[in-house]
Amino acid sequence: GNSVTQMEGPVTLSEEAFLTINCTYTATGYPSLFWYVQYPGEGLQLLLKATKADDKGSNKGFEATYRKETTSFHLEKGSVQVSDSAVYFCALSRDNQGGKLIFGQGTELSVKP
Amino acid sequence: DAGVIQSPRHEVTEMGQEVTLRCKPISGHDYLFWYRQTMMRGLELLIYFNNNVPIDDSGMPEDRFSAKMPNASFSTLKIQPSEPRDSAVYFCASSSFGSDRGTQYFGPGTRLLVL
Repeated sequence: GNSVTQMEGPVTLSEEAFLTINCTYTATGYPSLFWYVQYPGEGLQLLLKATKADDKGSNKGFEATYRKETTSFHLEKGSVQVSDSAVYFCALSRDNQGGKLIFGQGTELSVKP
Repeated sequence: DAGVIQSPRHEVTEMGQEVTLRCKPISGHDYLFWYRQTMMRGLELLIYFNNNVPIDDSGMPEDRFSAKMPNASFSTLKIQPSEPRDSAVYFCASSSFGSDRGTQYFGPGTRLLVL
């Protein structure tokens, strides 16, 4: 079946450090891939997405590339800020599942000044 | 656009009471999703609707939970009777699959505490 696996958290970094959060998926065909972010006390909000192989999604300094050959969609940011502290969710959507998202378990990021 | 609207934002109730959570999706969206989030189980999809019709309710934990969508602009999730283990944050999300390839937009959530 379809599934998403993320690296376990929490991840603790110093401000301006480089961030990578790993995400791999299992799915047939060509799913769309997403990263959502959840700030404390809030709902999830879309951070970026990619809908086909080799696409790169980017937003707010974050980026992720859809790698079909490694079934991965790793999230990266060159220089994190304290305000990036949140929980990050990787997700996939299959066209034949009507927009239903399959989420990873989430990775908590804590950035220290 | 106002985004997905949920009410109430916080609910505290006693075990055995009926709880009703409400959601107004983004206008024009044809899918609506209900999720539950807890520390122990993470984010769980409870049920989702397409054009007001329930498509998949396999995530609904038991018969105490029910969800309805009487029209395109309103949905409810009801728990009757409530139990302490139902304490969680409940999120509603909506999407327009045809135009946005499955991007879901989440509401702020309802924090439910059952005593």
